[in-house]
Amino acid sequence: QAVLTQPSSLSASPGASASLTCTLRSGINVDTYSIYWYQQKPGSPPQYLLRYKSDSDRWQGSGVPSRFSGSKDASANAGILLISGLQSEDEADYYCLIWHGNTAVFGGGTKLTVL
Amino acid sequence: QVQLQQSGPGLVKPSQTLSLTCAISGDSVSSNSAAWNWIRQSPSRGLEWLGRTYYRSKWYNDYAVSLKSRVTINPDTSKNQFSLQLDSVTPEDTAVYYCTREGRWFDCWGQGTLVTVSS
Repeated sequence: QAVLTQPSSLSASPGASASLTCTLRSGINVDTYSIYWYQQKPGSPPQYLLRYKSDSDRWQGSGVPSRFSGSKDASANAGILLISGLQSEDEADYYCLIWHGNTAVFGGGTKLTVL
Repeated sequence: QVQLQQSGPGLVKPSQTLSLTCAISGDSVSSNSAAWNWIRQSPSRGLEWLGRTYYRSKWYNDYAVSLKSRVTINPDTSKNQFSLQLDSVTPEDTAVYYCTREGRWFDCWGQGTLVTVSS
C-alpha cells in the first residue's frame, strides 16, 4: 500500500470548488504530519502551493492565491487541498508530499481538469 | 534570486552509472538553512524523491530507502554545486531528473534533465 494515495483524476467546472484528497496509509496518522501541496503544469517542474499542518500552522506560497487552501480530514486520515472559484489556469497536476522521518514521499498526483 | 542549472548526459547504458550535476547561483551549497535534493519523475513512477545533502556544522545525507544502495549525492564546495550518482541503472531509471533547493519546502527547481537508459 502506498504511503500517500491521491485520486488519479478530478474534473470540475469553472467557478466551482475542487477538493483534492491525499490519504495517508493506515498506521501513519495525518495529525502528525505537515502536508505539502505542489502544482505542476506541462513542461515545468512542480511549484510549491502551500503547507498545512493545522489552522495555526500553515504556510501559503508566495503569490499563491487565497482560493487555494489546505485542511485535514482526520476521520479519513487525509490531507485536503481545496481550490475555490476554479479558473482554467488551475488545470494541472497536483501532488501532495510528507516528510516521513528524514525521507520525502510524494503522492501519485491528481490531474485536475477544469471544463 | 536562486537558480539551479543542471548538466549531464541524457543517455546512459544499462548497468552503468548515471551522473548529473546541479550548479547553484544565488545561494551556497554550504548554507546552514537549505538542503539540496534530487527528485525524478516518470510516467510509471510519478514523482520520486531520491535524496539530499545538507550542511549543519557537518555534512549530512538522506536517501530514499528503495534506492539507498545505489544512490550517492555529494556537495562540491569549490564549485558551489552538488551531484547525483545512480549506480547500476536499468531502463526503469529512465526519467526526468530535477535538482531542487529545500528551504522550508522545495522552493527552487532546476530545469530538469531527461535521462534515458538504453543500449
